Amino acid sequence: AAGVIQSPRHLIKEKRETATLKCYPIPRHDTVYWYQQGPGQDPQFLISFYEKMQSDKGSIPDRFSAQQFSDYHSELNMSSLELGDSALYFCASSPSPTGGFEQFFGPGTRLTVL
Amino acid sequence: GNSVTQMEGPVTLSEEAFLTINCTYTATGYPSLFWYVQYPGEGLQLLLKATKADDKGSNKGFEATYRKETTSFHLEKGSVQVSDSAVYFCALPIYGGSQGNLIFGKGTKLSVKP
Repeated sequence: AAGVIQSPRHLIKEKRETATLKCYPIPRHDTVYWYQQGPGQDPQFLISFYEKMQSDKGSIPDRFSAQQFSDYHSELNMSSLELGDSALYFCASSPSPTGGFEQFFGPGTRLTVL
Repeated sequence: GNSVTQMEGPVTLSEEAFLTINCTYTATGYPSLFWYVQYPGEGLQLLLKATKADDKGSNKGFEATYRKETTSFHLEKGSVQVSDSAVYFCALPIYGGSQGNLIFGKGTKLSVKP
């Protein structure tokens, strides 16, 4: 079965650089969530999209932005990177934000900021 | 918003030992409850879930019962295997109900020795 695809899987950037993370949800899933997991930490919700519109916003820094495109893939754009942005970034998708469907997580993108 | 408190590890067990990982929650209403597992170097996988009080979620020998009276969702397995070594996260929807952004516990790292 198709799963959530994230790219790249690993990314190394310097401080103050920018990074773009991509997420391709499971086909026919219209809802995408982004989470950030710091080393040894629990995942923290960043932002979510439903039908290409932002549906909720969590602890996402102003330096980050995201969008969902017409094909339902999503991109997380991160600017002015800081050392503290080093983390595992997960994308999850679900068929709908309602109806009790579970979230399916991708393998994550490991971002290292040097 | 809702919150979740999870027993912190690490937990080290011998193969075939009994496992309990405690999870309690604070929520308005009766949200769905989830256990996710993260194997080394991988993303989050849904292990089991329960959508209403007294429901028992089960998968791969793991079980958890939704206890309304104690607001708990403890994870148990009667006989752990080396392959169960992973980090386990208790989670629930941050706004309640059965969908939407998840809030996770701090995670419990389980190591099973042969």
